[in-house]
Amino acid sequence: GQQVMQIPQYQHVQEGEDFTTYCNSSTTLSNIQWYKQRPGGHPVFLIQLVKSGEVKKQKRLTFQFGEAKKNSSLHITATQTTDVGTYFCAVSGSARQLTFGSGTQLTVLP
Amino acid sequence: SAVISQKPSRDICQRGTSLTIQCQVDSQVTMMFWYRQQPGQSLTLIATANQGSEATYESGFVIDKFPISRPNLTFSTLTVSNMSPEDSSIYLCSVSRDNEQFFGPGTRLTVL
Repeated sequence: GQQVMQIPQYQHVQEGEDFTTYCNSSTTLSNIQWYKQRPGGHPVFLIQLVKSGEVKKQKRLTFQFGEAKKNSSLHITATQTTDVGTYFCAVSGSARQLTFGSGTQLTVLP
Repeated sequence: SAVISQKPSRDICQRGTSLTIQCQVDSQVTMMFWYRQQPGQSLTLIATANQGSEATYESGFVIDKFPISRPNLTFSTLTVSNMSPEDSSIYLCSVSRDNEQFFGPGTRLTVL
């Protein structure tokens, strides 16, 4: 299956600062999905990227898929306390099964 | 979207016993997925459950330890058998719809 490495493992930011998490693969990915898991909650789908160089935005969130389709990033502009949680990248397989990255736990300090 | 419920939401069990987790979806789906999330870790796929056929298990997971049933298109169960403290995790079921995966609230299992 397609494996993804995700960094950093933890990130503490002051409210209002930006945040970025990265996913990398040694092989070309067919797609990349991003999920957010709030503390005590379950993962919630944010977005799927499938095209080389694709960039998608959701309000303060910007998602990118690398030109070689081997890396992806999630950037949050001007973090808020509501952004707290763990952000996972994941690759969807042929049967829609997901292989998750290790996640980045974001803490936002007020 | 999909609305998924799981029972129980949490349980504390003694080692050597078994626990069956139920997952109910609000509409029919072909495949249901079972994941495990160990404390502070990411999610790992246990198996994919198709209605009317044997579940497909991922490397490191076996049917004797995690038997799965899929009696219809809206329901599945996962049993954690002969539990040990290493089985303490959150177990989540999920379904896929339009390239988006929806997760149940999870079952938090503690094995003493």
